[in-house]
Amino acid sequence: AQSVTQLGSHVSVSEGALVLLRCNYSSSVPPYLFWYVQYPNQGLQLLLKYTTGATLVKGINGFEAEFKKSETSFHLTKPSAHMSDAAEYFCAVSDVRGGYQKVTFGTGTKLQVIP
Amino acid sequence: KAGVTQTPRYLIKTRGQQVTLSCSPISGHRSVSWYQQTPGQGLQFLFEYFSETQRNKGNFPGRFSGRQFSNSRSEMNVSTLELGDSALYLCASSPAQPRRESYEQYFGPGTRLTVT
Repeated sequence: AQSVTQLGSHVSVSEGALVLLRCNYSSSVPPYLFWYVQYPNQGLQLLLKYTTGATLVKGINGFEAEFKKSETSFHLTKPSAHMSDAAEYFCAVSDVRGGYQKVTFGTGTKLQVIP
Repeated sequence: KAGVTQTPRYLIKTRGQQVTLSCSPISGHRSVSWYQQTPGQGLQFLFEYFSETQRNKGNFPGRFSGRQFSNSRSEMNVSTLELGDSALYLCASSPAQPRRESYEQYFGPGTRLTVT
């Protein structure tokens, strides 16, 4: 069975500081990996995804993530935090189960940006 | 293109009642998934429909059901509501067909259900 672990349910960073949100996964097959962001009272929005190929994936709003198979990790980073980055972030893994894709989400990490 | 729309956005129901939530996917998307989001349990998968057929189902009791119409619009129904059903219900559509490639999903804003 696949699973996703997000370390730290709450992360605080100062404006301008590095953002690092951690995600580890388990999957019996090569996974598809995603990061989504959720702003208050809104649905989730795709930030970036890894399918195959280049392990460093760039997404929207200056975020990027690196797929490390040996560490089963897909951490999300942004060099410089902005106030508008305050939101909840979800890591997700998708693989084929019973012949169909199934997505499992992590429990989310709330990012607070301190001015 | 219009995004995923969900109606209603907010709903208050009494324990024991039933409720129907609606989701209109992005035009051309044939896969629709439903999720329940609560502070305690996070995002939990309810079910997925593709071309009017339920393809995947999460671990929810039979009180939770859904369907998809020929135009890909989907509804979910919860019967005999319990206090624990209070949650944000999210619908997501996807252009991906099952068994193919990446499964990025496009989420609607959700329906906030409160059961009193």
